[in-house]
Amino acid sequence: DAGVTQSPTHLIKTRGQQVTLRCSPISGHKSVSWYQQVLGQGPQFIFQYYEKEERGRGNFPDRFSARQFPNYSSELNVNALLLGDSALYLCASSIGPGNQPQHFGDGTRLSIL
Amino acid sequence: ILNVEQSPQSLHVQEGDSTNFTCSFPSSNFYALHWYRWETAKSPEALFVMTLNGDEKKKGRISATLNTKEGYSYLYIKGSQPEDSATYLCALNSNSGYALNFGKGTSLLVTP
Repeated sequence: DAGVTQSPTHLIKTRGQQVTLRCSPISGHKSVSWYQQVLGQGPQFIFQYYEKEERGRGNFPDRFSARQFPNYSSELNVNALLLGDSALYLCASSIGPGNQPQHFGDGTRLSIL
Repeated sequence: ILNVEQSPQSLHVQEGDSTNFTCSFPSSNFYALHWYRWETAKSPEALFVMTLNGDEKKKGRISATLNTKEGYSYLYIKGSQPEDSATYLCALNSNSGYALNFGKGTSLLVTP
């Protein structure tokens, strides 16, 4: 079975631009979470979606938004990019929310120039 | 944001040594504690999800214990091998159950 897939793997943008990152969960998984990881830190929670509804939101500005589609894939959008948005963005899927193990993709490395 | 602390920050052991790391977390609003292994250039791999005080889980040479009353979990690796070299992350689910609050991780290097 295919694992969690994320696209693109790498992305270079400039300040002020907008970016969309994509995630396809493991087949049968209905929950998708997004995390931001910067060097030296653990992943930081951005959003969780379950059954196409937002179920949790981390401490990120409104420039960050996400959605989940009927096939449970998800997109993370970031507007008005700042240098500080440079990070590895990880997507994780699970059967449901709560105490289910989350299965991570390889991430999208976003660099802002 | 829940404060999850991991120690040590990094560890260097010889092949065959046994080792352990600590994850500390606020004991109030506990829901579940997750352990992940993250090898370089790969995605984080789920090791354990622990929910009950006194839980002990084992996967091969790796085991973990949980104390929710005092707010800590230990991860043990018996007879470390070079392929165990990775960053080990713990993450806490609070009562809401949705967000994983990660620690900064313990970076383990095992040399032959």
